[in-house]
Amino acid sequence: DARVTQTPRHKVTEMGQEVTMRCQPILGHNTVFWYRQTMMQGLELLAYFRNRAPLDDSGMPKDRFSAEMPDATLATLKIQPSEPRDSAVYFCASGLVNPGNTEAFFGQGTRLTVV
Amino acid sequence: DAKTTQPPSMDCAEGRAANLPCNHSTISGNEYVYWYRQIHSQGPQYIIHGLKNNETNEMASLIITEDRKSSTLILPHATLRDTAVYYCIVRVYTGTASKLTFGTGTRLQVTL
Repeated sequence: DARVTQTPRHKVTEMGQEVTMRCQPILGHNTVFWYRQTMMQGLELLAYFRNRAPLDDSGMPKDRFSAEMPDATLATLKIQPSEPRDSAVYFCASGLVNPGNTEAFFGQGTRLTVV
Repeated sequence: DAKTTQPPSMDCAEGRAANLPCNHSTISGNEYVYWYRQIHSQGPQYIIHGLKNNETNEMASLIITEDRKSSTLILPHATLRDTAVYYCIVRVYTGTASKLTFGTGTRLQVTL
């Protein structure tokens, strides 16, 4: 049963520390999305990639956040330095995007707490 | 992408049909209607999508009005496990811009 895998599932870190979240998309999918979810803002799109190339990262704070896809099996989202306001659940999703079909499969998320 | 309007919450008795409305009066001709749901503490889950024809799959049915300004997601026999937040999204595929933008959704509570 193919699924998007995110690690770690939970992360507690101190303010100022670097945080790296990892995502293994479903094999063969050509698009990867990163979302952040908080009670106040709901689900926000941070960035997305097509064939490993970043297409849109306008939702991501550029000064501290970075997203990469070193290869087709790994997407990473880094926060450096982390701040308490970054506390949220971060979701990765992947999809095989073509005209008429942009079904995206979501991972279980990484719950980040910055203290 | 067109904006959508959904009621913030709805209740449904178990075993009954749940009809979740969505208004998308500014939808363009090349925009699709997507429905996702998010069960507590899980990632969003794709349900169904359509362009202008009604669609049905094993999870739900999607009814789109003829003018495409609104749609209804139907869960024919709701169960307690269908309790979730349901998101209606309209979006266009342009070959490069294919992001999914989530609104606030409808919180569906299925009760005994």
